[in-house]
Amino acid sequence: GNSVTQMEGPVTLSEEAFLTINCTYTATGYPSLFWYVQYPGEGLQLLLKATKADDKGSNKGFEATYRKETTSFHLEKGSVQVSDSAVYFCALTSQGGSEKLVFGKGTKLTVNP
Amino acid sequence: DAGVIQSPRHEVTEMGQEVTLRCKPISGHDYLFWYRQTMMRGLELLIYFNNNVPIDDSGMPEDRFSAKMPNASFSTLKIQPSEPRDSAVYFCASSSGTSRLNEQFFGPGTRLTVL
Repeated sequence: GNSVTQMEGPVTLSEEAFLTINCTYTATGYPSLFWYVQYPGEGLQLLLKATKADDKGSNKGFEATYRKETTSFHLEKGSVQVSDSAVYFCALTSQGGSEKLVFGKGTKLTVNP
Repeated sequence: DAGVIQSPRHEVTEMGQEVTLRCKPISGHDYLFWYRQTMMRGLELLIYFNNNVPIDDSGMPEDRFSAKMPNASFSTLKIQPSEPRDSAVYFCASSSGTSRLNEQFFGPGTRLTVL
């Protein structure tokens, strides 16, 4: 079945540093890809998504590009802020047309002032 | 919209007791998901429903766990009897199949502690 391998954390950065969190996937067909973010004490919320190859999802300064050739969907941000401290989850649709998502294990990011 | 509502937010109980977690999905959403999150195992899908019907319960750990969705606006996850290893944060999420966006909206979670 479909699966996600996500960069293990924790990741600690200084404010304004560049962020990359790696995510690779294994899938049959053409899954949609997602990044979810979980702030302390809250549920997950969608950060960005991409539905087909070469699509770029972006939101709040974060970006990720759907790379079919490398089966990757790496999350990037050029300049992180303290408020970006959270756990980030890469996910994909379980199978074509399914509402079920498969999540990675999550990467905890801490940004220090 | 109030978003996905879960209750209680925190539950502390003793081993062997019955625990019932509740969820109200976003109005109009036809999919409902129950997840469990722990440090050791991360985020696990327990079960999900479509139009109140359970579609996939392969993630339910054992017979002590059961979930129901009697109507489109309410679901429960029950653990009977509870054990200390059930301690976790339980999330409910909902989504709309008609949107084809696959975005799941999560509730704030219920933090369960079994002593």
